[in-house]
Amino acid sequence: GIQVEQSPPDLILQEGANSTLRCNFSDSVNNLQWFHQNPWGQLINLFYIPSGTKQNGRLSATTVATERYSLLYISSSQTTDSGVYFCAVEDWHGNKLVFGAGTILRVKS
Amino acid sequence: ETGVTQTPRHLVMGMTNKKSLKCEQHLGHNAMYWYKQSAKKPLELMFVYSLEERVENNSVPSRFSPECPNSSHLFLHLHTLQPEDSALYLCASSGRDSPSYEQYFGPGTRLTVT
Repeated sequence: GIQVEQSPPDLILQEGANSTLRCNFSDSVNNLQWFHQNPWGQLINLFYIPSGTKQNGRLSATTVATERYSLLYISSSQTTDSGVYFCAVEDWHGNKLVFGAGTILRVKS
Repeated sequence: ETGVTQTPRHLVMGMTNKKSLKCEQHLGHNAMYWYKQSAKKPLELMFVYSLEERVENNSVPSRFSPECPNSSHLFLHLHTLQPEDSALYLCASSGRDSPSYEQYFGPGTRLTVT
């Protein structure tokens, strides 16, 4: 099945810094989502981005489907950005979102 | 608030108990999913229902029994669980016949098996 790798596994930032999270996947996808999991376990949808670029406030994401990777950019980080960021993909066989292991982000004030 | 609700939010049960987890979606979706998140492991898909039919059973032990009575409701019936089944159980839904297959997740049920 499709493989998903996220990097880095852990990231510590000073408040106000920028960061880039990466997601590599092993096959063509018809769905790619970025999530933020808060300390209570809720998965919050950040982007649905099987291809192209999207922006939402301080966050933006780019997926280059032909090269099988996606990037999540966080600018001017805040302590509330702390948590785990997951990339998840679904291949063209459908029915199954496969999650990466996540990036644990800690933003210090 | 994602439009997907789960109850209970926390559950402690003994290995001989029988309990059920409930999920409800208010998004008009026609596919629903159960995922398991154990400590230090990626989220694992357990079951997929599309148009109320099970289309995926990801080698889940029979002590977990899903039920999807309609497109808005999904249950996970639990019996004779093991301590290693303690985890966060997440429900999700999506629209399988739309241009977007985006999945939305509920807040999860944190299960502890004693």
